[in-house]
Amino acid sequence: DVKVTQSSRYLVKRTGEKVFLECVQDMDHENMFWYRQDPGLGLRLIYFSYDVKMKEKGDIPEGYSVSREKKERFSLILESASTNQTSMYLCASSQGLAGVETQYFGPGTRLLVL
Amino acid sequence: AQSVTQLDSHVSVSEGTPVLLRCNYSSSYSPSLFWYVQHPNKGLQLLLKYTSAATLVKGINGFEAEFKKSETSFHLTKPSAHMSDAAEYFCVVSAPAGGADGLTFGKGTHLIIQP
Repeated sequence: DVKVTQSSRYLVKRTGEKVFLECVQDMDHENMFWYRQDPGLGLRLIYFSYDVKMKEKGDIPEGYSVSREKKERFSLILESASTNQTSMYLCASSQGLAGVETQYFGPGTRLLVL
Repeated sequence: AQSVTQLDSHVSVSEGTPVLLRCNYSSSYSPSLFWYVQHPNKGLQLLLKYTSAATLVKGINGFEAEFKKSETSFHLTKPSAHMSDAAEYFCVVSAPAGGADGLTFGKGTHLIIQP
């Protein structure tokens, strides 16, 4: 079974802090994604990566950056956390084109920014 | 351009009765369509997907969905609800070769199962 793990289930940070969210997948998938999930808004794509050191902006990249130094690991970085970044963050991975391929999701990190 | 509309934010059914979760889409292409389920405090899990093969798609846990191009719909159904079906359900549309950024998620339908 594909396993996608996220470093923290719950995180509390203060405004202005730098925040790192880590995601690791164990199936050698090429594509990795970061989404945020907010009530009534569904999932919105922040960034994705289709290869090591490659990254592409999604729908809402402002205030975020990403890093993919190794194929299995995809990090989301909040350079200076703000209260409007309080959300559930979901990482996913897939093999091949995401248009037809299944995405496998981690359990999520619930981030609270005070 | 593509979009997806889940017509109900909440659906409540009694255990043992049929489930219908409605999804309409719009797409400039022949789309791929997915249903994902999210149980409380868990990540999303694929229920089923349509990728231009048979229009009636069977998924896990007794769910199925029918792709109707004329109605631009991809409704999710199950003949008999179980308490374990209580979860959030997401309809997702994608261009067939849309690449990694080609997915559009619906806003979700919260399924409540009454005992």
